Amino acid sequence: DVKVTQSSRYLVKRTGEKVFLECVQDMDHENMFWYRQDPGLGLRLIYFSYDVKMKEKGDIPEGYSVSREKKERFSLILESASTNQTSMYLCASSSGQGDNSPLHFGNGTRLTVT
Amino acid sequence: GNSVTQMEGPVTLSEEAFLTINCTYTATGYPSLFWYVQYPGEGLQLLLKATKADDKGSNKGFEATYRKETTSFHLEKGSVQVSDSAVYFCALSDPPGGSYIPTFGRGTSLIVHP
Repeated sequence: DVKVTQSSRYLVKRTGEKVFLECVQDMDHENMFWYRQDPGLGLRLIYFSYDVKMKEKGDIPEGYSVSREKKERFSLILESASTNQTSMYLCASSSGQGDNSPLHFGNGTRLTVT
Repeated sequence: GNSVTQMEGPVTLSEEAFLTINCTYTATGYPSLFWYVQYPGEGLQLLLKATKADDKGSNKGFEATYRKETTSFHLEKGSVQVSDSAVYFCALSDPPGGSYIPTFGRGTSLIVHP
């Protein structure tokens, strides 16, 4: 079965800390995505990557960066965490380009910044 | 650009009631349409999809029909169970050759009481 694994289910960090959220997929997918999910706002795309070392900004990239050094791994980085980054973070992957393939999601990381 | 509009929740039903969650979309071209489900504490998972007009996607007793004339993809189930309590997301993706970034609705929470 296909799998997207996020390294942590829950994280608590302090304001100003550098935070790494890790995501690994075992499906050899080209595309990977980071979303944040907040009540009433649905899913908002932070960054996505369509190939190793390639990245594109999504709708809300401010305060975040990403790294994709290997095809299976896509990391989200909060350079200096702030309380407004408290949220649920979801990683996803998909194959190909516009081929009707669905996204496969991890179980999410609930990040609290205090 | 593309957009997806879902009915606002929460939708509250008694067990064995009939469920409809409305979804309409705006898209250029001929998109594929999806319903995802998010159970408490988990990421999203694909529930069903349809790739062309009049296609009916179905899974776990849920159905949705791709209606191009009304640009809709409403989710239905004849008899809901408590275990169906979750958040449901309607989404679309461009046809092959288009963007591989899907567009999501904001999600509709379903609460089923025994």
